[in-house]
Amino acid sequence: EAQVTQNPRYLITVTGKKLTVTCSQNMNHEYMSWYRQDPGLGLRQIYYSMNVEVTDKGDVPEGYKVSRKEKRNFPLILESPSPNQTSLYFCASSAGLAGGVYEQFFGPGTRLTVL
Amino acid sequence: GQQLNQSPQSMFIQEGEDVSMNCTSSSIFNTWLWYKQDPGEGPVLLIALYKAGELTSNGRLTAQFGITRKDSFLNISASIPSDVGIYFCAGAFLSNTGKLIFGQGTTLQVKP
Repeated sequence: EAQVTQNPRYLITVTGKKLTVTCSQNMNHEYMSWYRQDPGLGLRQIYYSMNVEVTDKGDVPEGYKVSRKEKRNFPLILESPSPNQTSLYFCASSAGLAGGVYEQFFGPGTRLTVL
Repeated sequence: GQQLNQSPQSMFIQEGEDVSMNCTSSSIFNTWLWYKQDPGEGPVLLIALYKAGELTSNGRLTAQFGITRKDSFLNISASIPSDVGIYFCAGAFLSNTGKLIFGQGTTLQVKP
């Protein structure tokens, strides 16, 4: 089954404790992206990657890091989480420029609470 | 950052009724998309629009890319209980970075 998987699905942590949210897709997609969803704000892009070793900032990159060492994986790293990063996070992927970069498939989401 | 204005914010309708929602922007977009999000899940793509004036259907769903390129509409005909969820519009510029600008969402509730 074609899918985007995220782990963990739920996470409660404390301020300053480094964490990683993993994202993996099995569709051989070139493009991957991270979004956060907050009430009344819709989804906002954090970082995106057009291909392996190519990443760039979205609208709200502060406090986040990403890496794209393999095509299928795109982890989101919070080096020192703060309460304002409490949110619902989604990973998404698409075929890329050749196959429709905007037709993105989303993962099930990771609900993060930072105390 | 840029945002789309999506309306209405929520709707509560009777099963069988038709539904309309729309998105407007002060910016011109080259692509419009409509997603649906069920509770506890990620958004799922419903319809993608690539040309101004384009009208596209997907079953009971019909979406249009506004002629000014600053708006888009989604209609759902003969609603059923499984239509319940949050509907998001998203717009994209010509930059091909894959960046989507999302609306705030329309929450749809359907009474059987």
